[in-house]
Amino acid sequence: AQSVSQHNHHVILSEAASLELGCNYSYGGTVNLFWYVQYPGQHLQLLLKYFSGDPLVKGIKGFEAEFIKSKFSFNLRKPSVQWSDTAEYFCAVKAAGNKLTFGGGTRVLVKP
Amino acid sequence: EPEVTQTPSHQVTQMGQEVILRCVPISNHLYFYWYRQILGQKVEFLVSFYNNEISEKSEIFDDQFSVERPDGSNFTLKIRSTKLEDSAMYFCASNGEAGALRNEQFFGPGTRLTVL
Repeated sequence: AQSVSQHNHHVILSEAASLELGCNYSYGGTVNLFWYVQYPGQHLQLLLKYFSGDPLVKGIKGFEAEFIKSKFSFNLRKPSVQWSDTAEYFCAVKAAGNKLTFGGGTRVLVKP
Repeated sequence: EPEVTQTPSHQVTQMGQEVILRCVPISNHLYFYWYRQILGQKVEFLVSFYNNEISEKSEIFDDQFSVERPDGSNFTLKIRSTKLEDSAMYFCASNGEAGALRNEQFFGPGTRLTVL
């Protein structure tokens, strides 16, 4: 069965710092990859997705992620975070079928 | 922008009672999902629904659970006899416009179910 792991449960950083959140998955076949974000009190929103093509994908709000097939990874990055990036970030994988398998989430706190 | 909506936002029930969680998916979507997140744990897939039938379900989705699309807009999750361990946030999602490739899933705000 596929699984998704996110390396950090909590990240605290200051505004303007760079952010990188790790995501690894276990599945040998073709996958679609997603990063979702949940701002406080809001629902899950898509940040970015990878289906095929260029492994470096750009999403909303200055986020990007790189799919490295050999490492089964899909790490999320932002060069300079803002206080408004405080949220929980979820990596998710769609393999066979339509269901999403989520990682455990990473809570990011950006200090002003 | 169209959104998935869910009601109620919070449901408190006694163990053994039946609950129905309601969702209104985005209107031109064809695929519907339920997920849940127990406090402190991962978001877990429960069930997917397409063309008026379950297309996939997880081990969690046992006989106590059922889904229904009673009309053209609502998508419901019923838990027949709730247990304490059913306490969780339940998320509805939808995707798949007619004629389009299946795409990312759009999530509702969730219903927090508390079983006492």
